[in-house]
Amino acid sequence: NTVMTQSPTSMFTSVGDRVTMSCKASQNVGINVGWYQQKTGQSPKRLIYWASNRDTGVPDRFTGSGSGTDFTLTISNMQAEDPAIYYCLQHNSYPYTFGAGTKLELK
Amino acid sequence: EVQLVESGGGLVQPGRSLKLSCVASGFTFSNYGMNWIRQAPGKGLEWVAYISSGSSYIYYAETVKGRFTISRDNAKNTLYLQMTSLRSEDTALYYCARRRGGLDYWGQGVMVTVSS
Repeated sequence: NTVMTQSPTSMFTSVGDRVTMSCKASQNVGINVGWYQQKTGQSPKRLIYWASNRDTGVPDRFTGSGSGTDFTLTISNMQAEDPAIYYCLQHNSYPYTFGAGTKLELK
Repeated sequence: EVQLVESGGGLVQPGRSLKLSCVASGFTFSNYGMNWIRQAPGKGLEWVAYISSGSSYIYYAETVKGRFTISRDNAKNTLYLQMTSLRSEDTALYYCARRRGGLDYWGQGVMVTVSS
């Protein structure tokens, strides 16, 4: 099974900061990676699909990049509504596997 | 508007069974593969099972293989998860999600608590 390793586990940021989080796959998954945002008490919401494509309605401050085994989600200008847990998902093959999540909080 | 609404959760004793449903609307259900994903309280996301659009392909996580059965009724736009021999570690919020470029739309989830 493909293991997705996310880092950091948590981070504190300020409004206006540039935030970068990482996801590393234990084997080549091509561009079959998505990024999901889960706010407290809500279902996960997909932000990015196929590594770098933004879902409809997702603000352009969210950017995904990477291929193969190394993937990154960047928030260019942290906003007050962005604190959440962010998960990566590999959907290259079943079983689909998620990273353990990066918890993003405001200072 | 795509909507996925889960139901059928509740409190169940270890070793017993429970069947979850997920009713889909706002898209042609029969054209899409569907998944179940779960999230234990305070924990991360775990993929559970997948069924293709015509039920030809079915996959399970090792943690539920042999105990859970995924199925669907395209005439009723409904996805199911039959859970048997339930264990305390199956306690979680269960989501259904559509397969498209990964998992694009998710339901709101239904809680399953396994406890005596």
